[in-house]
Amino acid sequence: EVQLLESGGGLVQPGGSLRLSCVASGFTFSNYGMSWVRQAPGKGLEWVSALSTVGYTTYYADSVKGRFTISRDNSKNTLYLQMNSLRAEDTALYYCAKDWEGLGVWGQGATVTVSS
Amino acid sequence: DIQMTQSPSTLSASVGDRVTITCRASQSISTYLAWYQQKPGKAPKLLIYKASSLESGVPARFSGSGSGTEFTLTISSLQPDDFATYYCQQHNSYSYTFGQGTKVEIK
Repeated sequence: EVQLLESGGGLVQPGGSLRLSCVASGFTFSNYGMSWVRQAPGKGLEWVSALSTVGYTTYYADSVKGRFTISRDNSKNTLYLQMNSLRAEDTALYYCAKDWEGLGVWGQGATVTVSS
Repeated sequence: DIQMTQSPSTLSASVGDRVTITCRASQSISTYLAWYQQKPGKAPKLLIYKASSLESGVPARFSGSGSGTEFTLTISSLQPDDFATYYCQQHNSYSYTFGQGTKVEIK
């Protein structure tokens, strides 16, 4: 069964850092690009970042550029999102998704709350 | 960045109705348009990719059409399980962008 499982969410103060992880199973992880998408409470979906398989190029939404870093460890079938200088507006449920002709597989999400 | 605009924001319909949701892109995205269904407390589910390709396992009552800047998602006969929020998303170029969502409610 194809599965994605996020972890690493939690409560953090403004200006703090968190690292999210997303463990993949059921498919050849190294062959696929991956994305992070977030959803603030009661709001719509916002694409955050992606890492392609072509040169492992990274992409970021303007709202997180310079603060978030996406990376992957193919030996561990794991995608990461390092989030620094967190702001209240980063509070959201963060999903990882398999990126191939649309976002076809999603995890259950990891909750990030930025509050003092 | 490419902006995606969905309409309507909310749609009230009855079981058996034919439902159409529209998505407009601020510039041409060819056919790189996906549609998702999201139910409360659940992750989004891919329904349609490349504007008109039905994701495996998705019922045939869902269909997509369009190219360039104008796209539609059609549900041919609304079922009780279809009451949800629907999002379009361009997957032509990073950064990907989503529409604001269309909530399909029971009339």
